[in-house]
Amino acid sequence: AQRVTQPEKLLSVFKGAPVELKCNYSYSGSPELFWYVQYSRQRLQLLLRHISRESIKGFTADLNKGETSFHLKKPFAQEEDSAMYYCALGTRGGNKLVFGAGTILRVKS
Amino acid sequence: SAVISQKPSRDICQRGTSLTIQCQVDSQVTMMFWYRQQPGQSLTLIATANQGSEATYESGFVIDKFPISRPNLTFSTLTVSNMSPEDSSIYLCSANRDTNTEAFFGQGTRLTVV
Repeated sequence: AQRVTQPEKLLSVFKGAPVELKCNYSYSGSPELFWYVQYSRQRLQLLLRHISRESIKGFTADLNKGETSFHLKKPFAQEEDSAMYYCALGTRGGNKLVFGAGTILRVKS
Repeated sequence: SAVISQKPSRDICQRGTSLTIQCQVDSQVTMMFWYRQQPGQSLTLIATANQGSEATYESGFVIDKFPISRPNLTFSTLTVSNMSPEDSSIYLCSANRDTNTEAFFGQGTRLTVV
């Protein structure tokens, strides 16, 4: 069965501190992993995907198949990073998504 | 990118009634999906809306309860039938231009059943 686990419901950090949002997945096939973000009063949007291997807004995420993880990291958090973050597993060519429970990131000044 | 509009954005409905949610994309897309987000929970895929054929439902979701239409490449509807308070959720439409491309989401429809 496909499953995505985000163990933290809430992560609270100070501005300038490093951030790591954890994500583990379970999938027997070849996974496609995504991070989606929802800022206050905005719709869900793609932050980054593992196949792009790019950094968006200072965030990076590396797919670790051995640990079945896709943790989201940023070295220095900013207040505008405060949002709900969802890790998602793509199946069937990456289009059908299985979402984790989400982690609220609060960056305090 | 693709801009997705959902209507209505919210509604309060009586139990036993049905509500149809519309999803309009500003350009042609290959794939459209409907998700449900129950209070305090994550998004769960209801079904894939197939253009010109019956939708493909995920485990736990059936056509009689959630009939879906997709008459063309830019529009889909989801009906929540014979509603009960347990159907109170946010319903989201998403679309991909093609396989292995970014998923875009509508703003969601917040449904409350009383």
